[in-house]
Amino acid sequence: EAGVAQSPRYKIIEKRQSVAFWCNPISGHATLYWYQQILGQGPKLLIQFQNNGVVDDSQLPKDRFSAERLKGVDSTLKIQPAKLEDSAVYLCASIPELRDTGELFFGEGSRLTVL
Amino acid sequence: KQEVTQIPAALSVPEGENLVLNCSFTDSAIYNLQWFRQDPGKGLTSLLLIQSSQREQTSGRLNASLDKSSGRSTLYIAASQPGDSATYLCAVSDQGGKLIFGQGTELSVKP
Repeated sequence: EAGVAQSPRYKIIEKRQSVAFWCNPISGHATLYWYQQILGQGPKLLIQFQNNGVVDDSQLPKDRFSAERLKGVDSTLKIQPAKLEDSAVYLCASIPELRDTGELFFGEGSRLTVL
Repeated sequence: KQEVTQIPAALSVPEGENLVLNCSFTDSAIYNLQWFRQDPGKGLTSLLLIQSSQREQTSGRLNASLDKSSGRSTLYIAASQPGDSATYLCAVSDQGGKLIFGQGTELSVKP
C-alpha cells in the first residue's frame, strides 16, 4: 500500500514570494491534515479536511495561507506572501475516517526555507 | 485549551539501558493518545496508539501506559539500541480527530 505522498521535499524561497505544497493521501482515506513543524517543536495543526470539506482551520493564518482539497483526494497548501517565520516542515497526514480509531499516517514532509 | 508537555527534552543513555519517556496533558477528555517516532529529516511514524478506555499497549520492546485521570502517559523502551535514537513525540486526540502534539524528546543511545 502506497503511503502519503508529498512534494516538493525541499523548497527555498525569498520572503514575500509564494510557494505551494502538494499532498496525496493514502487511497480511500477521507480525512486529511496539514501540520506545520518548526525546528525543535512538535507539529501544529493548520487545517483538517473531511473529504472536500474543512473541519478545522482555526489555526491557519488565513491572511497568507490557503488550502484546498477540491475533489476530496489530493490537497494543496499555499503560502503567499511568505515570511521568515514560515520556515518549517509542512507535514501531511491522513486517516480513513474522522474519529477513526486507527493510527495517523504521515508523509515525509516538505521542508520550506524562507530567506 | 489542551496542552501537551514532554519531559525530558533530550536524553542520552548507553546501549542496553531501559528508559522511560514522559508525556503529560492538561485536559483528560481525550479520545486517544499516540506515540510517534521521528527520524531526522523524516516524517512521523506511529509507534503505539492507546484508546481512552485502555491502560496500556505493547509492541516489541515498547510499552506505553495511559493514566487519563492524572493526565499522564509513559513510553517505556526496554534494552535500548543505537537504532532507537530519534525524537519521540506524544500526541492526544480529541473527539473531532484533532491531534495536539508535545514538543518531543530527543533520544540518543550510545553504543
